[in-house]
Amino acid sequence: QVQLQESGPGLVKPSETLSLTCAVSGYSLFSGSYWGWIRQPPGKGLEWIGSIWHSGSTYYNPSLKSRVTISVDPSKNQFSLKLTSLTAADTAVFYCARYHTGYDAFDIWGPGTMVTVST
Amino acid sequence: QSVLTQPPSVSAAPGQKVTISCSGSSSNIGNNYVSWFQQFPGTTPKLLIHENNKRPLGIPDRFSGSKSGTSATLGITGLQTGDEADYYCGTWDSSLSVVVFGGGTKLTVL
Repeated sequence: QVQLQESGPGLVKPSETLSLTCAVSGYSLFSGSYWGWIRQPPGKGLEWIGSIWHSGSTYYNPSLKSRVTISVDPSKNQFSLKLTSLTAADTAVFYCARYHTGYDAFDIWGPGTMVTVST
Repeated sequence: QSVLTQPPSVSAAPGQKVTISCSGSSSNIGNNYVSWFQQFPGTTPKLLIHENNKRPLGIPDRFSGSKSGTSATLGITGLQTGDEADYYCGTWDSSLSVVVFGGGTKLTVL
């Protein structure tokens, strides 16, 4: 059974950098899927942040591209998100998800982790 | 303002059928597959429909998807109170080079 689990700080100060990790179990990162990060501000809709192919190729939302880095750690079967220059507008639940290329959709999601940007 | 437009809310009685629309353009829905997600409050989005009209294993056939031109539709028949949730459409936008989602539709089963 494929499972994803996000981890990282729940509270970050404005202007700082957010680092989140998504641990993948029951499936190898190198089995041919894309992996992505999606966020959801409180009471609002979903926003795609970016995705990474197992080869390391990345695709970012242009609105966030200057602040986002997604990377993979093959030794730990996990991938990570870094988001810099945080503001209160970045407060959201952050989800990691598997993009199933056969389905052309995000088919498995982590439970999400709430990140609050505040002093 | 979402690239994909969904009605903020829909409602119907138990046992009835409801449809949720998702309107886009030729750069997204018109030329790419649409997926649909169900999200209960405080929980993770769940894939209901992929590739416009296909259901993953375990999704009941009460849920259906269709696409015509630059619009897509999610249909739910035999409504149950347990279907009350937010529903989102999503697809790739070839012009913006982003995955885009609709703003979400809150389903109320009266």
